[in-house]
Amino acid sequence: NAGVTQTPKFRILKIGQSMTLQCTQDMNHNYMYWYRQDPGMGLKLIYYSVGAGITDKGEVPNGYNVSRSTTEDFPLRLELAAPSQTSVYFCASKGPEDTQYFGPGTRLTVL
Amino acid sequence: AQSVTQLDSHVSVSEGTPVLLRCNYSSSYSPSLFWYVQHPNKGLQLLLKYTSAATLVKGINGFEAEFKKSETSFHLTKPSAHMSDAAEYFCVVSPKFSGGYNKLIFGAGTRLAVHP
Repeated sequence: NAGVTQTPKFRILKIGQSMTLQCTQDMNHNYMYWYRQDPGMGLKLIYYSVGAGITDKGEVPNGYNVSRSTTEDFPLRLELAAPSQTSVYFCASKGPEDTQYFGPGTRLTVL
Repeated sequence: AQSVTQLDSHVSVSEGTPVLLRCNYSSSYSPSLFWYVQHPNKGLQLLLKYTSAATLVKGINGFEAEFKKSETSFHLTKPSAHMSDAAEYFCVVSPKFSGGYNKLIFGAGTRLAVHP
């Protein structure tokens, strides 16, 4: 039982490039989330999904897209990367009693 | 509107002394409350949670927190700090009836430093 896994751990992008952050969970959770964490701040919700095929925007969705074709996977797509997207990205899934379990994070720098 | 306020951005203690990290919340209904810890360059790990059962909640690594509805507080304590407790701590609230997706509201975090 690996929990929530994310790849890559680190990535540097040039302005205008695109990339996909991968997230997988093996706990059969329906709810999954993407957050970003800027320096000195708490986490902000980008997108969430309540099950395969169902996604919705969170607080800060601009510049991102998601898909959810399976229960296990919830990739986050960045199109046309901008310096403002430099952040640490966390994926999470929700288990019993509203508890969210977080992945180790992806540290992204856009130059 | 729901919110979380962590009253101290930085707390510094000596090893072996008590730890107190303060958190106040605002929520229309009795929420679920969590403390998460984040060690440098790591993900978030759940320390403990309150979900309307016992008001004194025990977590991992000797931490505990008490839910006080009258004070809208959920302070985190530990009797004796260890060097390995040095990390960032987040108080998190999950309001009831948050639109069906289990919205989490994060405090800004408290950085705990532990000195020898």
